[in-house]
Formats: sequence, C-alpha cells, structure tokens
Amino acid sequence: KQEVTQIPAALSVPEGENLVLNCSFTDSAIYNLQWFRQDPGKGLTSLLLIQSSQREQTSGRLNASLDKSSGRSTLYIAASQPGDSATYLCAAWGYKLSFGAGTTVTVRA
Amino acid sequence: GAGVSQSPRYKVAKRGQDVALRCDPISGHVSLFWYQQALGQGPEFLTYFQNEAQLDKSGLPSDRFFAERPEGSVSTLKIQRTQQEDSAVYLCASSLAFVDGQIASSYNEQFFGPGTRLTVL
Repeated sequence: KQEVTQIPAALSVPEGENLVLNCSFTDSAIYNLQWFRQDPGKGLTSLLLIQSSQREQTSGRLNASLDKSSGRSTLYIAASQPGDSATYLCAAWGYKLSFGAGTTVTVRA
Repeated sequence: GAGVSQSPRYKVAKRGQDVALRCDPISGHVSLFWYQQALGQGPEFLTYFQNEAQLDKSGLPSDRFFAERPEGSVSTLKIQRTQQEDSAVYLCASSLAFVDGQIASSYNEQFFGPGTRLTVL
C-alpha cells in the first residue's frame, strides 16, 4: 500500500520568505504526483501535476520537483504572500491517488 | 465555469439516518472518484467509476456505503444507517480518462469538487 508522508505538518513564515514543502512516498511505481492547495472548508485546487517521466514542473512562483528513485517530491513557493496561507497536499498517483496529511502553511504579514 | 459540483454542501444527520450525496462531474469526464477526508487528514480513496462501471470499491469502509453512477455522469454516494464515525468531508473528483496499467497521460489530472461536510450527531 502506498504511504505518503508530508513534513513538516505545519509551517509559519514571514511574508517574502521562500517556502519548501516536502513529500515522500513509499512506492516509486507511480504514474504522476500532484500537489494541491486546500483552504479551510473548501475543496482541493490542483497546483501542479508532475508526470512520472518529468523531474519538475513550474507555474508562476511555484516549482515542484520529483525524484521517483528516492520517493520524494518538493514544492517550492517563492516570495511567499499572506494569500499563500493554506494547507498543501501532495498525492501520489499509482492506481489511485494516495494523499499525505498535508502541510498547513501560515504566512505572516 | 463548469467545474465539479457537489450537493448538499453541508449535511447534518442523526445517527441511524440514511444520507445521499450527489456529485456532478465536469462534462465529458470519463472517470469519477469519491474520497473521504477526516478532520486534519488527507483524503482517503473510497471508490472509482469509469463511465457507469464501478471498477474499484475497495476503499468503502463498510457495506453501509454504496455508490452509483447509472448513466455515466452524475454519481451518488449513499450511506445507510449513519454512524458518528462517518462524519467527514466527502470529496468527488473527475478526470478525462484513466487507463489502468498504462503509462499516465496528461488526461489523468483530477479536478475536485468543494465537498460535502457530513456531520452525524
């Protein structure tokens, strides 16, 4: 069974600092890895999807890397803003999406 | 914008009641997934449909849970005789296609609805 772990569980940074969110998974036989954002009481918003053949994906201030061999993905958010405060979830796409518990980010103004 | 919609957004049920949760996927999306998200946890897979066929229901926690998608579009998740441990957010997601056993295509990205928050008293 795929196990996905996200560290840290929570993170608080001052505005402008870069964020680094870590995700590890136990089964490297994945099709892709997806990062989501979840705001309190809301559904999931897809941020980035990295195909298994790719090493990274970028969208604006967001960059996600994937190292299948080591079972790791990292989400970088540059120059954080208070609006980036949310819970960030990674999910490994094997047969179905297996989610981590998330990292709750607070960006202080 | 025609995203994934779910109804109701909130549902309060007394223990023992039956509930039905609805999901309207993005038009044309073949695959539909249901997830259960407990407080402070990531979503857990419940079941998966490809068109009207339920291909995987291994995540359904008990036989009180039942899902259907009779015409390959709208799906309903039904929970019979609700228990307090059923309290959670139920998320629905759809994607264009999923090809079991094949190399992932760009169509695998899942789009999520806002969820239904179920509270069982």
